Amino acid sequence: DTGVSQNPRHKITKRGQNVTFRCDPISEHNRLYWYRQTLGQGPEFLTYFQNEAQLEKSRLLSDRFSAERPKGSFSTLEIQRTEQGDSAMYLCASSSFRAQGAGNTIYFGEGSWLTVV
Amino acid sequence: GDSVTQMEGPVTLSEEAFLTINCTYTATGYPSLFWYVQYPGEGLQLLLKATKADDKGSNKGFEATYRKETTSFHLEKGSVQVSDSAVYFCALRKWYGTGANNLFFGTGTRLTVIP
Repeated sequence: DTGVSQNPRHKITKRGQNVTFRCDPISEHNRLYWYRQTLGQGPEFLTYFQNEAQLEKSRLLSDRFSAERPKGSFSTLEIQRTEQGDSAMYLCASSSFRAQGAGNTIYFGEGSWLTVV
Repeated sequence: GDSVTQMEGPVTLSEEAFLTINCTYTATGYPSLFWYVQYPGEGLQLLLKATKADDKGSNKGFEATYRKETTSFHLEKGSVQVSDSAVYFCALRKWYGTGANNLFFGTGTRLTVIP
């Protein structure tokens, strides 16, 4: 079983540019999550999908952020008009709905580092 | 609201020392509790978990017991190794209600083990 795959791993962009990150979850995992982690902090929830449906969005997800999972497999997270405050690591994670309850494991990718200059 | 509070780091220990990283939580209902570890430059890996009160999670010599009466889930290891140097995150996940499908993390505790 391959793990959660994210790319690019690192992205440096100028303020005002758009960036897009891609996440490939563990195969057959129908839940996919995006988190953001800034230096010295724990990850913060951004949004989550069950199959292709985006079921929950955090207040952290401003209107410059959009996430999609068009076929219920891979997902993209796009940030428009980037700001320096968007600099962070963006983590993708996945889990299986078939494993019932809050104890089922959420598996994380290695993250995509974004630096906005 | 739901939250996780971890002891502040950084923590520096000598090899073979005993480790405790404190974690307490606030949550409605009965959450599941987790410890994740993050090695330098990498994503998060699940270290151990406990899904109900008095459960003990264990893995790679690390242990944590779900204490409902003290709302705690402290991480312990009897003898740390240099390879345990990483950032450790305590997290909770609820069965139902707002935010039931995601993890709430603490701020992390950086552990450095010196030879």
